Amino acid sequence: EAGVAQSPRYKIIEKRQSVAFWCNPISGHATLYWYQQILGQGPKLLIQFQNNGVVDDSQLPKDRFSAERLKGVDSTLKIQPAKLEDSAVYLCASSLGPLPGTNEKLFFGSGTQLSVL
Amino acid sequence: QKEVEQNSGPLSVPEGAIASLNCTYSDRGSQSFFWYRQYSGKSPELIMSIYSNGDKEDGRFTAQLNKASQYVSLLIRDSQPSDSATYLCVIRGSNYKLTFGKGTLLTVNP
Repeated sequence: EAGVAQSPRYKIIEKRQSVAFWCNPISGHATLYWYQQILGQGPKLLIQFQNNGVVDDSQLPKDRFSAERLKGVDSTLKIQPAKLEDSAVYLCASSLGPLPGTNEKLFFGSGTQLSVL
Repeated sequence: QKEVEQNSGPLSVPEGAIASLNCTYSDRGSQSFFWYRQYSGKSPELIMSIYSNGDKEDGRFTAQLNKASQYVSLLIRDSQPSDSATYLCVIRGSNYKLTFGKGTLLTVNP
């Protein structure tokens, strides 16, 4: 079974530039998450999709971050313009569904390490 | 009070010892409790889930849940150097949202 695919693996940009990350979840997984993980901290949820609808984007800085999930499969996360404090690992995860039980196990991609200079 | 609290460590134990990792949470209506392991430079992976009070054992790992005390723990018996990683406590609250703790760094010394 193929895992969650993410690209790019690494990205270095200057502040005020834009950047985009791509995620392809495990086939059949309805729920997709984007997390931001700053060094030494636990992952912080940016946005959660259920199929192609947004379930939770309460912690997404909407003035600079945007995300979409076209056709309920692939997803892209964009930052425009980037700030120094956006330097982090961006993790994509998917699960069969959000309901309690075995469906809620998260499968993570390898992440994108972003450095903003 | 933070939603999910863990001692950041580092926790250092000798090989073969029992490692005890602890987590407290603030939402009394929390439903699901997980422990994820994250090796340095890697992504988190699920190692244990627990939904009801008591103990749940899986190999060398035991998860313990006490909802009255709002406390969940992970015990690792016969700790191995390969267990050295950050352990993340993750809880699904009454609002169905998942919250990650900051993680505890465990080091197992040969």
